[in-house]
Formats: sequence, structure tokens, C-alpha cells
Amino acid sequence: QQQVKQSPQSLIVQKGGISIINCAYENTAFDYFPWYQQFPGKGPALLIAIRPDVSEKKEGRFTISFNKSAKQFSLHIMDSQPGDSATYFCAASMDSNYQLIWGAGTKLIIKP
Amino acid sequence: EAQVTQNPRYLITVTGKKLTVTCSQNMNHEYMSWYRQDPGLGLRQIYYSMNVEVTDKGDVPEGYKVSRKEKRNFPLILESPSPNQTSLYFCASSLSNIFPYEQYFGPGTRLTVT
Repeated sequence: QQQVKQSPQSLIVQKGGISIINCAYENTAFDYFPWYQQFPGKGPALLIAIRPDVSEKKEGRFTISFNKSAKQFSLHIMDSQPGDSATYFCAASMDSNYQLIWGAGTKLIIKP
Repeated sequence: EAQVTQNPRYLITVTGKKLTVTCSQNMNHEYMSWYRQDPGLGLRQIYYSMNVEVTDKGDVPEGYKVSRKEKRNFPLILESPSPNQTSLYFCASSLSNIFPYEQYFGPGTRLTVT
């Protein structure tokens, strides 16, 4: 019940296309859902995060869509660029315990 | 510059030889954490600390120790490393009580135990 399942494991998208990464969770007590971006040789960095009181959050080309009833959330990258090539992690937590439960990661490659 | 530093960045050691990976942050963050990253498994939390002298086990604490004697430092200790502890390790810190609860990660330490 603590798991966060992330798909796909890897994704190749043409430059200018839309990249979509999906995550699903079981624990309805989760109330914080961040996405982290990791470039090779670097630590993950927070990209965007959402609370379940909203269904969508947009920051530039990055959008989180959240479906509370389906217990799913996804990251959409519009107009994908080669510089977006990285590994993306979704995560979830409950405010009360500060522990993030991480998805397995998606390696995204944007082809020029 | 606000940052989390880890040392060493790379380490090759032998089974049973005690080692310490240091972690330091200059952002006055209360919360610090250690993760290990393995292919296909994402990040798994080893230990975390809410503040000085307060530490708690994460999901995979076996074989590891930590201490938090000062706010800025959170070393990870492997008393008797084994090959299954070969991994990429990350230290992270955050304020944790202000949305979006951003965790700042160090550059990572790649550990190989032979």
C-alpha cells in the first residue's frame, strides 16, 4: 500500500512532442505528490509538486495532472526539448511523516 | 552558494572495512536524509533526521548507521560493508514545513564494495 508505481520505464519522444509519464498509488492518505528531475551525474531536483486539492498544476512547459478518484497522477512535458532528456521520478508522501515514497523512475530521451 | 555536499564522490572498498560518507548542508535545514539509488528501484530512504540528535529509520536501514550531532552534518556510516551495499548514495536536506517541501540533494556518492 506504500508503493508508487511509475510507467513507462523509458520513453523516447521527438523534439517538439509531448512527453507523458504516469504514476499510480494505493495509499489514500498521501497528500503530496512531487516530480523530481535527475540529470546524469547529478542529484534529483524538484521540478513541480501538487497537493490533491487541485486537479492540475502548470509551470511553464511542465504540467501535473492529478486524478484523485483513480489514484493516479501524471507529468506532461509540452514541446519537449533535448535539454529535457533526464530521468524523472514521481513521489508521494503524507505531510505527517516527511517520508517520500518514490517511483522507480523514467528515463526520457528527446530526439532532435 | 546554497548546497549539499557529499564526500567522497567515488569510493571502492572491500567487504568489512568500515567507512563513512560525509554530508553537509549550508542552508540551516532541520531535515536531512540519506537515500540509496539502484536501477529499477528508484530512491529508497535509509535514515532521516528531523533535527539535531533526532534520527529515524527509513525503508532500508539495515547495515547503516547515522548521527546528527550538528545541524549541518549528517554522516552515513557503514560499519561492515557488504557487496549488496554497492549503490549510488544521496544525501538530501529540506526545511520540510513549507510547501513545496523541496528536498535539496547532494551530488551523490558512488560506492563499490568488493
